[in-house]
Amino acid sequence: ETGVTQTPRHLVMGMTNKKSLKCEQHLGHNAMYWYKQSAKKPLELMFVYSLEERVENNSVPSRFSPECPNSSHLFLHLHTLQPEDSALYLCASSKTGTGNSGANVLTFGAGSRLTVL
Amino acid sequence: KQEVTQIPAALSVPEGENLVLNCSFTDSAIYNLQWFRQDPGKGLTSLLLIQSSQREQTSGRLNASLDKSSGRSTLYIAASQPGDSATYLCAVSIIQGAQKLVFGQGTRLTINP
Repeated sequence: ETGVTQTPRHLVMGMTNKKSLKCEQHLGHNAMYWYKQSAKKPLELMFVYSLEERVENNSVPSRFSPECPNSSHLFLHLHTLQPEDSALYLCASSKTGTGNSGANVLTFGAGSRLTVL
Repeated sequence: KQEVTQIPAALSVPEGENLVLNCSFTDSAIYNLQWFRQDPGKGLTSLLLIQSSQREQTSGRLNASLDKSSGRSTLYIAASQPGDSATYLCAVSIIQGAQKLVFGQGTRLTINP
């Protein structure tokens, strides 16, 4: 257990479904992230929330919608997905800062394995 | 656009050997570089973070170096053990503050008993 908890661990959904992935951290971090890991591709940053500001990768389709209600919780809302969206979705958190204080070291959750039929 | 490349893609060595994993990046304007390991079906575990002003970091049997000007980093693993078998990922941070990391595709390492 890393301190970053993701649920569900596995999700199978049809292309017309609406579902959400949840991420929770109680490490006192002030930034949270969604990454996508597809087979044979590098991890891809989808969204960053830092001090309640959202930074997004402009290539992420609008069928992925993030929500960060507070610094400890992060959601990824999914709707009308495509089979190519099947992947491991990883949540991470960090404490922003400078120097060698342990800032900027990302702590990852175990991931949510998504299969779109 | 920043691109990160890791060579080799896969490596298999006998237990006890020292080994080096390589990472290169195309844009030297980075804030830090991080090495992670990922076990099959699991998330990533942070191993080492090197600030852009640093040359190396050490943790136990691991030593990571950074040559920002040439766009290279290496991860040295001493006296390898079967438990070191995993995929090792290199990532560079391209903004200050929140970590917008660009990852390489990883090196899949197998240590044979």
